[in-house]
Amino acid sequence: DQQVKQNSPSLSVQEGRISILNCDYTNSMFDYFLWYKKYPAEGPTFLISISSIKDKNEDGRFTVFLNKSAKHLSLHIVPSQPGDSAVYFCAASGFGNEKLTFGTGTRLTIIP
Amino acid sequence: DAGVIQSPRHEVTEMGQEVTLRCKPISGHNSLFWYRQTMMRGLELLIYFNNNVPIDDSGMPEDRFSAKMPNASFSTLKIQPSEPRDSAVYFCASRGQGMNTEAFFGQGTRLTVV
Repeated sequence: DQQVKQNSPSLSVQEGRISILNCDYTNSMFDYFLWYKKYPAEGPTFLISISSIKDKNEDGRFTVFLNKSAKHLSLHIVPSQPGDSAVYFCAASGFGNEKLTFGTGTRLTIIP
Repeated sequence: DAGVIQSPRHEVTEMGQEVTLRCKPISGHNSLFWYRQTMMRGLELLIYFNNNVPIDDSGMPEDRFSAKMPNASFSTLKIQPSEPRDSAVYFCASRGQGMNTEAFFGQGTRLTVV
């Protein structure tokens, strides 16, 4: 049972445009959400997170939006840069629960 | 801190052999996770420990897989006997205590079973 879903395996975006990566979850107990970025032959690295008490969190070019009623979150990257080409994973955890559940990932390719 | 350290980085073994993957978490972190990366399931959680105690091993695929955490600074994931379908990249991650913290990943071990 995939509790965190990323339905787009891949996404291509022109350099300078906005990249939007989507993630859906099914477990209503999740209250903390994270995005990770992964380059080939490296471990995933933390990018940005959001708590369920917020609906938006921004860090430079990266913004995460959370829609609790739809159980949906998205990561916006603007403007997109070639170095943003990587696999992006969304993850979720529940209150008082250390378990971190990941999605299947979306491969983002930025076209120069 | 050097971050989460995994060894070996690459492992090639023959089917039927025992394989042991090792992980040193970040000092002070009290949760440790073992993940396997596959195309179909992304980052699949195999098992996680809290304060050296296994909390959830529901992701361990078969009895051939076992994990231990004898102390706060060391964990192992063992596969015995190994099979070609176990070939994947295995990641270890650690997370500090407290609400709303991120997990830090090691570089991973690429396992190839031939």
